[in-house]
This record gives sequence, structure tokens and C-alpha cells, in this order.
Amino acid sequence: AQSVTQLDSQVPVFEEAPVELRCNYSSSVSVYLFWYVQYPNQGLQLLLKYLSGSTLVKGINGFEAEFNKSQTSFHLRKPSVHISDTAEYFCAVMGSNYQLIWGAGTKLIIKP
Amino acid sequence: GAGVSQSPSNKVTEKGKDVELRCDPISGHTALYWYRQSLGQGLEFLIYFQGNSAPDKSGLPSDRFSAERTGGSVSTLTIQRTQQEDSAVYLCASSLSRRGPETQYFGPGTRLLVL
Repeated sequence: AQSVTQLDSQVPVFEEAPVELRCNYSSSVSVYLFWYVQYPNQGLQLLLKYLSGSTLVKGINGFEAEFNKSQTSFHLRKPSVHISDTAEYFCAVMGSNYQLIWGAGTKLIIKP
Repeated sequence: GAGVSQSPSNKVTEKGKDVELRCDPISGHTALYWYRQSLGQGLEFLIYFQGNSAPDKSGLPSDRFSAERTGGSVSTLTIQRTQQEDSAVYLCASSLSRRGPETQYFGPGTRLLVL
């Protein structure tokens, strides 16, 4: 069965510092990976996705993620965070029927 | 263009009552998904529709849950005899097709509280 593990429930980081949000997956089929962001009191918005090709994927708002097949990881990074990045971030793998299988989410807390 | 819309945005009901939640997908999107976001279970898949094909109901937690999609567009998720554990945010998403790894676009959700 496919699954996603987000190792940190919360990540506090100072404004303008770099951040990495970790995601590991388990999948025995073709791997399609996604990061979504949920801002306070808003819906889910796609940040970036990996379908195939280059393992470094760039998304919106300066985020990027690297697909690592050997480590079954898809960590999300940003070199310099802003207060507006405060949100919950969800990693997901696409299941065999194209449904999304989600991690538990990581709350990014920006400290001024 | 217009995104996925859901109604109502909030619903408070009493235990044992039935509720209906509505989803309007993006025009032209043939695939429609329902997910549930709850404190205890996180985000979980419930059901999806692709065009006029039979829906995949594999994620529905009990037979109290059902969904239909009329005319390949609007979908209604019905929960019968609601229980307190049904309290959650119900999210609808649509995509161009389920025949490939298409991006799913999400609505704002319906927050359901069962008293």
C-alpha cells in the first residue's frame, strides 16, 4: 500500500532563514508526488509536483523540491522564508486510481 | 476562470440527521474527488467520479456515506444519520481527467459540525 510520512508536525523558523520540510513516501507503482499548501482559513493550493524527468522541481512562491528515488524522499525547500509563508504544507503521492494519498501535514511557523 | 465551489461553507447539524454537501467542479473537468480533513485522521480520500463511469467508492468510511454526480458536473455528498465522528472539513477537487496524473484543484471545503 502507498503511504506518505511527514516527519515533522511543526517547523519553526526565523524569517529570511532557509527551511526544509521533509516527506518520505512508500510506493510500488509509478511515483507521482505533490506538495500542497493550505494558508489559514483557505483551501488547498498546489505548490509543485513531480511526474517524471528532472528530479529538481520548482514551484510557486520560491519553493522547490527534490525527488530522491533511492531515499524515497521528496523534501520541500525554500532558501529564505517570509511571514506570508505561514501555512500548513501537505505532501501527497498519487495512488493507483489517481486519488491523492496524504501525509499528516507540517505547520510552518515563521518567527519574526 | 471560476474555481471549484462548495456549499454550504459551514454546516451544523444534530446527531442522527442527514446532510447534503454540494460541489461544483471547474467547467470542463471530467474527474471529481471528495476528501475529508479531520483532526484525528488528517486528509483522506473518500470517492471519485470520472465522466459517466461508475464511481470509485473505496474510500467511503461507512454505508452512511454516498455521493452522486449529475450530468457529469455537480456532485452531492450525502451523510445519513450523522455521528459526531463525521465532524470534519469535506473537500472537493476536480481535474481534467483521471486517465493520468493531472493536477487536482480544490474547493474551499464545507466545515461540518455534528453536535
